[in-house]
Amino acid sequence: KAGVTQTPRYLIKTRGQQVTLSCSPISGHRSVSWYQQTPGQGLQFLFEYFSETQRNKGNFPGRFSGRQFSNSRSEMNVSTLELGDSALYLCASSGGDTQETQYFGPGTRLLVL
Amino acid sequence: QKEVEQNSGPLSVPEGAIASLNCTYSDRGSQSFFWYRQYSGKSPELIMFIYSNGDKEDGRFTAQLNKASQYVSLLIRDSQPSDSATYLCAVKSAGGTSYGKLTFGQGTILTVHP
Repeated sequence: KAGVTQTPRYLIKTRGQQVTLSCSPISGHRSVSWYQQTPGQGLQFLFEYFSETQRNKGNFPGRFSGRQFSNSRSEMNVSTLELGDSALYLCASSGGDTQETQYFGPGTRLLVL
Repeated sequence: QKEVEQNSGPLSVPEGAIASLNCTYSDRGSQSFFWYRQYSGKSPELIMFIYSNGDKEDGRFTAQLNKASQYVSLLIRDSQPSDSATYLCAVKSAGGTSYGKLTFGQGTILTVHP
């Protein structure tokens, strides 16, 4: 089975711009979670989608949003980028086992200048 | 108090030794526990998961869970230089507010020297 894929892998943006990141889960997985990883804060949960519905959201401002399509692919969007948004953005998919084991994609590294 | 805490590193062990990585968590309702390995510049890779008290072995890796003490550990036997990485402990709580959410520790950097 192919793993989780994320595009693009690298992005450079300037403050004030917006960005959209894409994630394709493992085939058959319906849950997609997004995380932000920074050296200072570590891995922090952004939100989770299941069957096109956001079921859970972390403590991030409204500039961070997402959606999921009927084929379980997910996108996240960050509007009005700030310097502090520079991070590795990871998505993880889960196949619905009761323990929700998550498998991570390679990540998108975002640099905001 | 942080929700998930890992023993401070970095941890350095000689090749062939046992590396012991520890993690404590604050939410007694936590139900699933995961260990991920992350190489520099890469994404986290799942090593093991454990749900029940006791030990779970997978090759050179053994995860240990003690829910009463809110403690989970990972032992790596016969450590190899290729095991050098950051090890992340992740915890999932029960309940609807925890859908899809893993809470991570800050990670322990392990170096295995020849």
